[in-house]
Amino acid sequence: DTAVSQTPKYLVTQMGNDKSIKCEQNLGHDTMYWYKQDSKKFLKIMFSYNNKELIINETVPNRFSPKSPDKAHLNLHINSLELGDSAVYFCASSQGTPGGTGELFFGEGSRLTVL
Amino acid sequence: TQLLEQSPQFLSIQEGENLTVYCNSSSVFSSLQWYRQEPGEGPVLLVTVVTGGEVKKLKRLTFQFGDARKDSSLHITAAQPGDTGLYLCAGGGGNKLVFGAGTILRVKS
Repeated sequence: DTAVSQTPKYLVTQMGNDKSIKCEQNLGHDTMYWYKQDSKKFLKIMFSYNNKELIINETVPNRFSPKSPDKAHLNLHINSLELGDSAVYFCASSQGTPGGTGELFFGEGSRLTVL
Repeated sequence: TQLLEQSPQFLSIQEGENLTVYCNSSSVFSSLQWYRQEPGEGPVLLVTVVTGGEVKKLKRLTFQFGDARKDSSLHITAAQPGDTGLYLCAGGGGNKLVFGAGTILRVKS
């Protein structure tokens, strides 16, 4: 069983479209995250949820809207996609509060390409 | 804003060579983690260090946390092609983990 699974793995879409990425973790963790990795491999946190509550909301355009229906799921919806949104989006989970010493478990990533 | 700088950005070496990757910051971190990421996959944790001056060994990999908890290093002895990947350091503290920009390591056989 995959610990952190996200779908789809690949997304190719036109500018202006709306898309969603889903994430599920079966580790029983309290905290889930969305990270964006750009073409230079820089991994930047976007959002963090702890027990379904938004904890971290970095300076991300409001076209990005995370939703956590329960603590095992964290989805990411993106409206009006722009070229600059092209990146690999990683979902991750950890036990305990963000920023602690807990290990982050990452999904395999969802590569988004906006044409 | 806490920032972590990693050096070098890219390293290409022959199998059997030794190497060191550095992770530096002007900020103090309560902990520091090292992850390795292979193409098409998410990062995987290698080690967490929490005490200034701490040294941890994982087979041929040696990790050190600076005394002031502002920097860390990863030393690989006798690198192998299987060590190829992106190495990321991440500093903990506050309410989030901050990642460095990574070091891409390529080990040629």
